Amino acid sequence: ETGVTQTPRHLVMGMTNKKSLKCEQHLGHNAMYWYKQSAKKPLELMFVYNFKEQTENNSVPSRFSPECPNSSHLFLHLHTLQPEDSALYLCASSQETGIDNEQFFGPGTRLTVL
Amino acid sequence: AQRVTQPEKLLSVFKGAPVELKCNYSYSGSPELFWYVQYSRQRLQLLLRHISRESIKGFTADLNKGETSFHLKKPFAQEEDSAMYYCAMNSGGSNYKLTFGKGTLLTVNP
Repeated sequence: ETGVTQTPRHLVMGMTNKKSLKCEQHLGHNAMYWYKQSAKKPLELMFVYNFKEQTENNSVPSRFSPECPNSSHLFLHLHTLQPEDSALYLCASSQETGIDNEQFFGPGTRLTVL
Repeated sequence: AQRVTQPEKLLSVFKGAPVELKCNYSYSGSPELFWYVQYSRQRLQLLLRHISRESIKGFTADLNKGETSFHLKKPFAQEEDSAMYYCAMNSGGSNYKLTFGKGTLLTVNP
């Protein structure tokens, strides 16, 4: 598959569960991003990784834990989430993190926390 | 604080009519502005960027620093333009940190 893929596409979890979201990009990019899209709120940047190094943490609660083992894969580990964390989580990638670099988005994971 | 405002949540026009999607930003420096689009059942994708100064699918956007606006315009809307449009801003620096507006859902009626 080409582009940016995300799994699972839908996830329902309880507040005590631990789950992980996976993102994979097949574009040869060096930068990857996690965004959160909540209802009635703008798309919010959560984390930025550039060459596997985290370069941005946008004041995200510690119950969200990102992991970037290589430039092609990005994970978001979830534990003890709250119902207000229910949202669409989007992954994106770009060649690098410069202004000229277009971000390519995945289809998203729709997360519901019960 | 950096902010992107899209005042219209919904916009409906008829095919062939001109369309303008409004975007205003708040930033004291010189930002880079973008428009992203999401068609039904498709993923979010870049439509155009200020620095390229190009027209994509008939759409153009001009950065007006005096009015801090970056409105998206098309003289003759088509039904296939129906989509969710997001204005985004990069305030510069070493990280590509985009600040998005809430989006405007454009519906082009036949």
